[in-house]
Amino acid sequence: DAKTTQPTSMDCAEGRAANLPCNHSTISGNEYVYWYRQIHSQGPQYIIHGLKNNETNEMASLIITEDRKSSTLILPHATLRDTAVYYCIVMKVFKTIFGAGTRLFVKA
Amino acid sequence: SAVISQKPSRDICQRGTSLTIQCQVDSQVTMMFWYRQQPGQSLTLIATANQGSEATYESGFVIDKFPISRPNLTFSTLTVSNMSPEDSSIYLCSVGGTGSYEQYFGPGTRLTVT
Repeated sequence: DAKTTQPTSMDCAEGRAANLPCNHSTISGNEYVYWYRQIHSQGPQYIIHGLKNNETNEMASLIITEDRKSSTLILPHATLRDTAVYYCIVMKVFKTIFGAGTRLFVKA
Repeated sequence: SAVISQKPSRDICQRGTSLTIQCQVDSQVTMMFWYRQQPGQSLTLIATANQGSEATYESGFVIDKFPISRPNLTFSTLTVSNMSPEDSSIYLCSVGGTGSYEQYFGPGTRLTVT
């Protein structure tokens, strides 16, 4: 599976959009981009995934560049409860390998 | 999404003993996974447990240390054997979703070995 690179940490003001980037320059054509998050002391939570098209659900939007070498997870109106570690994972088989992720701090 | 429960939620154990962690799902699922999360670290996949077959272990994890059972489509256990303080971690089970490759995680079992 392709390796991903994410910033170690980010800050976001409450009510503003949080844009979390992920680089996956070695992604292959049949690998999906998955996002999870882990709020402190809880199990990870699935957020969204995509292959090549942009995706949106009730939690977030996923923007994948045309060359698929990077993506951005967008939380449109961040709240304090969105403070968590966000993991970007690239995979093509059923084996989710977690990297270090991005620690997002949403501040009032 | 599936609802997953784990027992116990936390435990403190003495070195040299074993602990069995249970994972119960509210629906039938084919694929179940066990992860370990050491303090301050990300998650590490221990093994994949499919019903009706032997668990598949990742590099660095062996069946003698982490035996897994998967007796049916809603239940699995992970045993941490002959524990040492280095086994102090959060152990999480997860299941595959019905869509693509998304997974749903249990709340975790916080294990402290003294």
